[in-house]
Amino acid sequence: AQKITQTQPGMFVQEKEAVTLDCTYDTSDQSYGLFWYKQPSSGEMIFLIYQGSYDEQNATEGRYSLNFQKARKSANLVISASQLGDSAMYFCAMRRPSNDYKLSFGAGTTVTVRA
Amino acid sequence: NAGVMQNPRHLVRRRGQEARLRCSPMKGHSHVYWYRQLPEEGLKFMVYLQKENIIDESGMPKERFSAEFPKEGPSILRIQQVVRGDSAAYFCASSSRTSGDNEQFFGPGTRLTVL
Repeated sequence: AQKITQTQPGMFVQEKEAVTLDCTYDTSDQSYGLFWYKQPSSGEMIFLIYQGSYDEQNATEGRYSLNFQKARKSANLVISASQLGDSAMYFCAMRRPSNDYKLSFGAGTTVTVRA
Repeated sequence: NAGVMQNPRHLVRRRGQEARLRCSPMKGHSHVYWYRQLPEEGLKFMVYLQKENIIDESGMPKERFSAEFPKEGPSILRIQQVVRGDSAAYFCASSSRTSGDNEQFFGPGTRLTVL
């Protein structure tokens, strides 16, 4: 069975600082994809970044970067230069071809950015 | 190019009534996934459909829940005889195919409240 673990239920970060959100996963598949989504208080799910298991380089999207350590099965999200609008719930998710590509989500981490 | 549409955005039902949630995937997308998010939790997979076919309903409760994705029209998630425990946010996601790193695009969700 696959499992996504986010161990940080909530985090506070000062504006303009960087924050790292932890995500570990468990799968025996060789091919899989890892995602991070942002869910603000308005409730929608916003795609942030994607990392494929065979990608050799860590994914980056603007202020978001994914620290992918395959051997450790971790896919931490780094948000640089935090902004007040980054305050939200963040979910790590995984999908596998062997599982019809449906997404499995972690429990989420709430990030609060302080001015 | 409109994104994934869900309606209604908010739905209030009394115990025992029926709830119908609609999802119109992005144009050109033939794969639809439904997820449920209980309060303070991550999203949990419910069902995966392609046009006129249920591919995987392993996440659906055995009773009262059903889903369809007809040849024409939106995908429907139907909950009969709702109970308070059905109160949750229901998200629909669509993709154009299941292979590769194809992103699933999420709708804004339907928030169901059962009184």
